[in-house]
Amino acid sequence: KNEVEQSPQNLTAQEGEFITINCSYSVGISALHWLQQHPGGGIVSLFMLSSGKKKHGRLIATINIQEKHSSLHITASHPRDSAVYICAVRGSNTGNQFYFGTGTSLTVIP
Amino acid sequence: ETGVTQSPTHLIKTRGQQVTLRCSSQSGHNTVSWYQQALGQGPQFIFQYYREEENGRGNFPPRFSGLQFPNYSSELNVNALELDDSALYLCASSLWVGETQYFGPGTRLLVL
Repeated sequence: KNEVEQSPQNLTAQEGEFITINCSYSVGISALHWLQQHPGGGIVSLFMLSSGKKKHGRLIATINIQEKHSSLHITASHPRDSAVYICAVRGSNTGNQFYFGTGTSLTVIP
Repeated sequence: ETGVTQSPTHLIKTRGQQVTLRCSSQSGHNTVSWYQQALGQGPQFIFQYYREEENGRGNFPPRFSGLQFPNYSSELNVNALELDDSALYLCASSLWVGETQYFGPGTRLLVL
């Protein structure tokens, strides 16, 4: 079993739809990251969270430490949001080890 | 553009060979992490360096080794390459341990 599980694995949405990607983790963490990876490999860090909620433009990330769960929301989705979204956690007792989910592949159709 | 660069962009090696991948961190960043991403998978943490010392390691064998230099650039060395080492290798730098990571574009390694 992976330390970080994401759902859904694949997601197709119409432009303008509200999108939610979920992440659950099983280890104690010091921080959770949401990453965006475009075809060809380039990774961009979207958020780093240790509690509560963060917003950046149309993106919102929330985390519930007690439930070991985080969500990434995209409002008014756009085709340029098409990418793989990866949840990663930094273990709090694992010597700075990072654990990654396998990613959610999002396609937004015009 | 994150300011993190990696070289080479692509590399082909044969089983048993050794490879060195390089990463130049964003200016002022003293922490660098290396990841292996197999096709269709999420990245796997290899190790992290902070101020030239290893500061955490994932479940990779000792033939994966690293170095961080005084200018905080970094190398990943892999000895005795195996076919399963074929992957995208990513480095990421951050201002301090635990801060937001900035990823390089990756080096795509193919082992034949």
